[in-house]
Parts: sequence; C-alpha cells; structure tokens
Amino acid sequence: SYELTQPPSVSVSPGQTALITCSGDNLDSKYACWYQQKPGQPPLLVIYQDSERPSGIPERFSGSNSGNTATLTISGTQAVDEADYYCQTWASSTAVFGAGTKLTVL
Amino acid sequence: EVQLVESGGALVQPGGSLRLSCEGSGFIFSNAWMSWVRQAPGKGLEWIGRIKSSADGGTTDYATPVKGRFIVSRDDSKNTVHLQMNSLNADDTAVYYCSTAGDTSWYEFRIWGQGTQVTVSS
Repeated sequence: SYELTQPPSVSVSPGQTALITCSGDNLDSKYACWYQQKPGQPPLLVIYQDSERPSGIPERFSGSNSGNTATLTISGTQAVDEADYYCQTWASSTAVFGAGTKLTVL
Repeated sequence: EVQLVESGGALVQPGGSLRLSCEGSGFIFSNAWMSWVRQAPGKGLEWIGRIKSSADGGTTDYATPVKGRFIVSRDDSKNTVHLQMNSLNADDTAVYYCSTAGDTSWYEFRIWGQGTQVTVSS
C-alpha cells in the first residue's frame, strides 16, 4: 500500500521559515494536500493541488511537489501556526495521510 | 454557511455495531463525494472510506482495516451520509469525522465536521 512519510517534529523560531516535508513514491505524479490541526479541532485544509491556497488561508502558507517529495513552507512563521500538519494524497482509490508533523514555534 | 454535522457517536461494547450520520448544508450535497476519516486518541488521521456522488455511480471505496466491517451509504434526499460500523473492536475507538471537497472537486478534504466520538469498551 502507498505510504507518505513526514518528520515527526519541526521546530522554528518566530518570523523564520518552516519547511515540512512529505515523501512518497513518485509523489509528483499525484496531487498533494496539506492540513493544519490544532488540539480539539478538526483539520483545516491549507494547501490543495500541491500549491493552491483555499480562500482565507494566509499567503505565508505555500506548497510545492517535485520528485518524491512535497513540501509545505510557512514563511514568517507565527505562534498561531503551532499545530500538527498532515499531508494527503490519493492512491488506488484510497486516500492516504502522512503520520503528521508537530510544528513547534519556539 | 457550508457545514457538516456528525451524530451517532457512543460507547459500544466489543463486537457491537453503531451507525453514524453526517448532514451537510451550504453546498450541493448530491454532487459531493463524501468521506469518513477517523482519529484515534493521540494519533494521526486515518481515512476510512468514501462514497461517490450518485451521478458518478455512487460507488464506495474502503481502507483495508475496515473493509467488510464498515459500510458507507448516502441519502441525498436528506443531505446525509451514513457510516454503518459492525464487529467493532478497541482499535476502532476514535473521533470520526465526515469530510468532502464539496460539490466542485473530489481530491481534497475541504469541508470537515466537528467529529463524533466512538468508544469501544466493555
């Protein structure tokens, strides 16, 4: 079965750039999506179709997908961005989520 | 307002059954492909299954851990999708979310409910 691999944790200082990666076999042949989840809340879509931002998502969130790796970039990270982040794609009519990355803003 | 509201979560004994429901509003429900996603305590997101729109055949797909035990169905007259869960075990304990991309796409999970808690325990 298809798997997506994320680092368990990423730390960043306020104002700096956070990079969260998501790896999967030939991932760039599929679309990657990214979700933000804060404690006690449902996930929130922040990036779809590799690099598109839904309405209402700040411009500091961006995404890319090349080769086997999709990347979520948060520029000028703010304390409010501290959350768990999940990547997602589809493989063989099955949705696949990465295990999640906890972003800590120090 | 675009919204999904789940209901039906409960405490159930191992081996038991439970049916969850999710009502959508604010979008053309009949055009939407609807999915269920769960999250066990302290764990990540796990996709369970989905049902396509009736116009796209209304067919279903399931994740391996629930195939043969869970059934997703829809009632477009009530803007509702259901998750019938059978032969439940402790590993099924989780918050269950319904989600959809909406009525113009299918790939991403754009709209989420608040979730409903299912606890499997004796």
